[in-house]
Amino acid sequence: EAQVTQNPRYLITVTGKKLTVTCSQNMNHEYMSWYRQDPGLGLRQIYYSMNVEVTDKGDVPEGYKVSRKEKRNFPLILESPSPNQTSLYFCASSSRADYGYTFGSGTRLTVV
Amino acid sequence: AQKVTQAQTEISVVEKEDVTLDCVYETRDTTYYLFWYKQPPSGELVFLIRRNSFDEQNEISGRYSWNFQKSTSSFNFTITASQVVDSAVYFCALRSSGGGGNKLTFGTGTQLKVEL
Repeated sequence: EAQVTQNPRYLITVTGKKLTVTCSQNMNHEYMSWYRQDPGLGLRQIYYSMNVEVTDKGDVPEGYKVSRKEKRNFPLILESPSPNQTSLYFCASSSRADYGYTFGSGTRLTVV
Repeated sequence: AQKVTQAQTEISVVEKEDVTLDCVYETRDTTYYLFWYKQPPSGELVFLIRRNSFDEQNEISGRYSWNFQKSTSSFNFTITASQVVDSAVYFCALRSSGGGGNKLTFGTGTQLKVEL
């Protein structure tokens, strides 16, 4: 089954404790992105990757890191999480040829 | 710059009523794609429709229909005979041929509540 898999689905952590949210896709898509969803703001792009070893900032990159060492994986790293990073996070992938998107199930992160 | 506006923050209807969710977009590109997603209380994003800028034909899928009008930069979504299961947040989104790695620009969403 074609899908984007995010883990974990739920995470509660403390301020400053480094964490990684994993994202993996099995569709051989070139493009992968991370979005965060906040009430009243919709979804905003954090980082994106156009292929292996090619990443760039989206609209709200502060406080986040990403890497794309393999085509299928695109982890989101919070080196020192803060409460303002409490949000719902989505990973998405798409192919160069097709303009559709596949989203993961989301990760609800709470930073206390 | 791209922008998507969903002016309706929340809509409440009684079951079996028809409801239209509005979406207005801004882009300077001539080639772009418009999307609607549904987000039920469980939180996942459910793809509903994709439309490209060269196809202004309206579409109907069961109780759902979409009206795309380039002249007014609108891509409105109508649910006919609404049901309680339609209760969700609905997002309109835009992707143009510009950069951002196929970035989708989302509206702020419309919360639809369908009551018995």
